[in-house]
Amino acid sequence: DIQMTQSPSSLSASVGDRVMVTCRASQSISNYLNWYQQKPGKDPKLLIYGAFSLLSGVPARFSGSGSGTDFTLTISSLQPEDFATYYCQQSYSTPYTFGQGTKLEIK
Amino acid sequence: QVQLVQSGAAVKKPGASVKVSCEASGYSFTSCDINWVRQAAGQGLEWMGWMNPNSGNTGFAQTFQGRVTMTSNISISTAFLELSSLTSDDTAVYYCARGVRSDNYYYNMDVWGKGTPVTVSS
Repeated sequence: DIQMTQSPSSLSASVGDRVMVTCRASQSISNYLNWYQQKPGKDPKLLIYGAFSLLSGVPARFSGSGSGTDFTLTISSLQPEDFATYYCQQSYSTPYTFGQGTKLEIK
Repeated sequence: QVQLVQSGAAVKKPGASVKVSCEASGYSFTSCDINWVRQAAGQGLEWMGWMNPNSGNTGFAQTFQGRVTMTSNISISTAFLELSSLTSDDTAVYYCARGVRSDNYYYNMDVWGKGTPVTVSS
């Protein structure tokens, strides 16, 4: 199975900050990397697929980059509604494993 | 609009089985996979497996092999997850999610149900 490791596990930031979350795969997954946002008590929401393609309707302050084993989710200017937990997921091969999550909290 | 509506919360005793349903609407049910993902309280997301309603093909994470069944009833656009031999470790929220291949390449889960809490307790 492909292991996905996110860092940091948690992050405190302020509205307006630029924030980066990283995700590392245990083997190359090309661009088969998705990012999801989950708020407490809610279902996850897809933000980015194919490592950098923004789902329609997702604000442009979100961006994804990377290929192979190392990936980054960047939020250019944090908004109050962005405080949530973010998960990466590889869709290169089954089982489609998730990272352990990065909890983004208000500083 | 595209949505997945899941069945309500369930409470089961250890050793029992649970069956969760996921009714799809707003798209052609047979054109996309259904994935199942679970989340224990305060924990991360765990992918369980997928099924294709058109072909009936399935694939499961090794963790669940032998005690998970994924089926569908096309006539009512509904997918089902059945998990047997339950233990307290199976207490979690179970989500169904539509699996699509965006840009013809990149598999992702673009629509999720709101989740079904399952509690396993004696």
